[in-house]
Amino acid sequence: DTAVSQTPKYLVTQMGNDKSIKCEQNLGHDTMYWYKQDSKKFLKIMFSYNNKELIINETVPNRFSPKSPDKAHLNLHINSLELGDSAVYFCASSQERTDTQYFGPGTRLTVL
Amino acid sequence: AQSVSQHNHHVILSEAASLELGCNYSYGGTVNLFWYVQYPGQHLQLLLKYFSGDPLVKGIKGFEAEFIKSKFSFNLRKPSVQWSDTAEYFCAVNAYTGTASKLTFGTGTRLQVTL
Repeated sequence: DTAVSQTPKYLVTQMGNDKSIKCEQNLGHDTMYWYKQDSKKFLKIMFSYNNKELIINETVPNRFSPKSPDKAHLNLHINSLELGDSAVYFCASSQERTDTQYFGPGTRLTVL
Repeated sequence: AQSVSQHNHHVILSEAASLELGCNYSYGGTVNLFWYVQYPGQHLQLLLKYFSGDPLVKGIKGFEAEFIKSKFSFNLRKPSVQWSDTAEYFCAVNAYTGTASKLTFGTGTRLQVTL
């Protein structure tokens, strides 16, 4: 059973397009996150939701908009994609905000 | 703001060699500490964690880490590495006060184990 799943695994698209990445966790956790891993493997948090409420919103362009329809799902929508958005995006979840975070398999986004 | 430093960016070891990867953080308050591993093309997996208690924690696959509060360090060790340990290793610190908390990652250390 997959604990944290993401779709799609790979996403190749043109500049200017709008795309979404979906994340689901079946761990019953209250908190979910989106991270961006750049080409140098550096991981940085983008957003965090706790029970569908946004609690962390790092310095991320407005083109990125997270949506949490319920506490098991946290989707990431990106408008007007740019070359610099190319990265691997990881979803994660944890029971409490300070607890261990469990990561999804990642979505490799390539913007051409 | 908290920060995490991993001083070794790329480490190359022969099989059976001992490993120590450094991790230092800057934050004076309460912290939870983690080491994650990312095998090539895969997602992050938890190796071990420290929340409280014995500062020497043991994780999966023979890894251990020691929390030294006075040095703000949480170094990862393994007495004898295997080829299958080739991966990227990330130290992470969750510093929290009240209800606010955030997990901050180090820049990662790429471990390459040769046969």
